[in-house]
Amino acid sequence: EDQVTQSPEALRLQEGESSSLNCSYTVSGLRGLFWYRQDPGKGPEFLFTLYSAGEEKEKERLKATLTKKESFLHITAPKPEDSATYLCAVQSGSGNTGKLIFGQGTTLQVKP
Amino acid sequence: KAGVTQTPRYLIKTRGQQVTLSCSPISGHRSVSWYQQTPGQGLQFLFEYFSETQRNKGNFPGRFSGRQFSNSRSEMNVSTLELGDSALYLCASSLMDAWGTQYFGPGTRLLVL
Repeated sequence: EDQVTQSPEALRLQEGESSSLNCSYTVSGLRGLFWYRQDPGKGPEFLFTLYSAGEEKEKERLKATLTKKESFLHITAPKPEDSATYLCAVQSGSGNTGKLIFGQGTTLQVKP
Repeated sequence: KAGVTQTPRYLIKTRGQQVTLSCSPISGHRSVSWYQQTPGQGLQFLFEYFSETQRNKGNFPGRFSGRQFSNSRSEMNVSTLELGDSALYLCASSLMDAWGTQYFGPGTRLLVL
């Protein structure tokens, strides 16, 4: 069964303190791995799509990487506005059109 | 380009009632997926529509149904509401194929009393 596990559940950082969020997955035929950011009471905001092992994508202070078993979201010198819940999702190729399987998320708090 | 819009944003219903939620995808997007988000279960897939056809369905009871119109707008309906249906219902659209990036709307917050 396709599964996504994110760690840690919660992360507190000081402003400027870099760290990484982990997303481990088991899926039959990965079609894509997606990272989203979600603020309280809002819908998930798209960050990155990764398709194959070795792929990396960057946007401002965020960098996403992908291996055959996991993905990392690296946050460099975070700011308080980076505080949010970060969600990882996968889509498999076994007939699962339009279906994303989400992890439980990592709630990040960045203190000034 | 306008993002995904969902109406209404908030709803309060009582047990046994039914509810209809609406979603307008990003212009040009033809695939619409629906998700339920709760604190305990996280984000769970409900169903996906493409060209007015349901292509995929998650593990939810038959009380949950949906449809898509020719302009790609979609609705989902929940009949005989239960307390456990209280959740944030999210709609997401993608450009065309089954594997594209999904862009989410702001959600509809449903509270069942």
